[in-house]
Amino acid sequence: GAVVSQHPSWVICKSGTSVKIECRSLDFQATTMFWYRQFPKQSLMLMATSNEGSKATYEQGVEKDKFLINHASLTLSTLTVTSAHPEDSSFYICSARDLNRGDTEAFFGQGTRLTVV
Amino acid sequence: GQNIDQPTEMTATEGAIVQINCTYQTSGFNGLFWYQQHAGEAPTFLSYNVLDGLEEKGRFSSFLSRSKGYSYLLLKELQMKDSASYLCAVRDEEDQAGTALIFGKGTTLSVSS
Repeated sequence: GAVVSQHPSWVICKSGTSVKIECRSLDFQATTMFWYRQFPKQSLMLMATSNEGSKATYEQGVEKDKFLINHASLTLSTLTVTSAHPEDSSFYICSARDLNRGDTEAFFGQGTRLTVV
Repeated sequence: GQNIDQPTEMTATEGAIVQINCTYQTSGFNGLFWYQQHAGEAPTFLSYNVLDGLEEKGRFSSFLSRSKGYSYLLLKELQMKDSASYLCAVRDEEDQAGTALIFGKGTTLSVSS
């Protein structure tokens, strides 16, 4: 299946700093990627839809100025958590679909475990 | 609103069969997915149903009834490595690249020897 790579796998940062997470589609082009957040023992919650060449679409309750999304190319989307606080500690996962292959399922990156101290 | 329900936890023994149920109420429907997720890892795709009926893939089968808003994932010949969280997800709009999946909270399955 299609491969989505996410980096870093885990990161620890100080409160008030910013963290950038990268999501790459390795063997296909993705005009759309999705960013999810998952708290312990909770489901994946959609944060935003990242659109190549245009602004991201954020879900209700997600601060667009805090979670900056950039989708500058067809293979890369980045999520920057700005001025991170301990409550932002979570598991962040991106996903994408390869429509050219006719894939119906979404493929996920490895996820990024963010811990803010 | 969108709602996907599945049991929080289930336990079973090696070699047994377990059925994980999922019910959904969404504004639209364009496919139901099951994913497996081990702790701290990304979900991996297991199955996809868009028409009513049973889809079988090795030890895993998934069933869908659109009229009832109901699906189940059936795992046969359980192995210890099947201990994981199983996520039910629905795509609620037309098959477009811009449509994300809506996930249930997941069912944590514990397989014991």
